[in-house]
Amino acid sequence: GQQLNQSPQSMFIQEGEDVSMNCTSSSIFNTWLWYKQDPGEGPVLLIALYKAGELTSNGRLTAQFGITRKDSFLNISASIPSDVGIYFCAGDLIQGAQKLVFGQGTRLTINP
Amino acid sequence: DVKVTQSSRYLVKRTGEKVFLECVQDMDHENMFWYRQDPGLGLRLIYFSYDVKMKEKGDIPEGYSVSREKKERFSLILESASTNQTSMYLCASSLFGTGIGEQYFGPGTRLTVT
Repeated sequence: GQQLNQSPQSMFIQEGEDVSMNCTSSSIFNTWLWYKQDPGEGPVLLIALYKAGELTSNGRLTAQFGITRKDSFLNISASIPSDVGIYFCAGDLIQGAQKLVFGQGTRLTINP
Repeated sequence: DVKVTQSSRYLVKRTGEKVFLECVQDMDHENMFWYRQDPGLGLRLIYFSYDVKMKEKGDIPEGYSVSREKKERFSLILESASTNQTSMYLCASSLFGTGIGEQYFGPGTRLTVT
């Protein structure tokens, strides 16, 4: 069953605004990953986080691995139209299990 | 760059047909996965494999089977397609190991069963 709570489920913003989304769990994760999925395509890996407290940037994207290892956030600064899509968090719940647990996704819509 | 390819982007099949979805990765990854994605339900794991001829059930294996005869290829089989298997199917691959969780996805196959 679902073990990651991702919020918000959807966002409607104006172009140029900053975006923030997060994932939380009652369980400890070893890895946090953030993916973006464009309509009709497969998810693409944006950022991977491996250590508690780690803060990583990829262009206008910044993600952090929560210090408790139970949460992560993704920020997008100065949104542009191509940021539209669904963003997923994912985590490696059981060390060595080779499987990921996925959040339900945040659908981002941008008004130009 | 990791490349994961899927045999078809769109597929239309009739109820009762046997359906094969093929996935190939070119990065020598040990792990391969099949997911289905439905609105409101996120990604659900059907089967995965961590080695040739090895397979493990995911969360929703009923109605599906898989085959991994070669390291780079992982096939999903719908033995007798039903309308409730209409969905987006995603294949992914990753390295085997502890703390290496990054999965790389193919473009997906949108399957419609009529």
